[in-house]
Amino acid sequence: EDKVVQSPLSLVVHEGDTVTLNCSYEVTNFRSLLWYKQEKKAPTFLFMLTSSGIEKKSGRLSSILDKKELFSILNITATQTGDSAIYLCAGGSNYKLTFGKGTLLTVNP
Amino acid sequence: EAEVAQSPRYKITEKSQAVAFWCDPISGHATLYWYRQILGQGPELLVQFQDESVVDDSQLPKDRFSAERLKGVDSTLKIQPAELGDSAMYLCASSSIAGAAYNEQFFGPGTRLTVL
Repeated sequence: EDKVVQSPLSLVVHEGDTVTLNCSYEVTNFRSLLWYKQEKKAPTFLFMLTSSGIEKKSGRLSSILDKKELFSILNITATQTGDSAIYLCAGGSNYKLTFGKGTLLTVNP
Repeated sequence: EAEVAQSPRYKITEKSQAVAFWCDPISGHATLYWYRQILGQGPELLVQFQDESVVDDSQLPKDRFSAERLKGVDSTLKIQPAELGDSAMYLCASSSIAGAAYNEQFFGPGTRLTVL
């Protein structure tokens, strides 16, 4: 059975801090690793990673995949209160996405 | 910007009643997914459609849940009878790429179901 584990499950930081969110996966016929941000509504897409070692960046967010260690990280620099959300990681095969439980990030002013 | 539409946004029902949720995917998206997200968990796939055909419903509790996408566009998920453990967020997602669930899926706002 496919499995995705995220850590930590929750994290509280102050504005301006840098955070690293972790995601490990065991997915049969793995094709991609996706990150989503979920506030009190639908998950919104952040990144899709398919190749090891290639960092993807969007503003203050960046992510990288290690296919040998079956691991991905999501970095957020200079955090803002608007970054407070649940960050979901999902391992993708041709057939489905398997999600982790998410990391609840709280950024305090 | 095109979005996935879902209704209702909130539903409160008593156990043993029937409930139904509706989803309209982004226009032109042939693949549609229904997920259930229990509080504190990630979304879990219930059923996947390719056009009007079910591709995967292995995680759908078929004794009480049913899903259809009759014309290959919008979709309905039904629960009958609802049980207390069905309280969750029900998310619909769509994708333009067939046979490639690993690509970006676009999610709707969800229906939050509370069963009393």
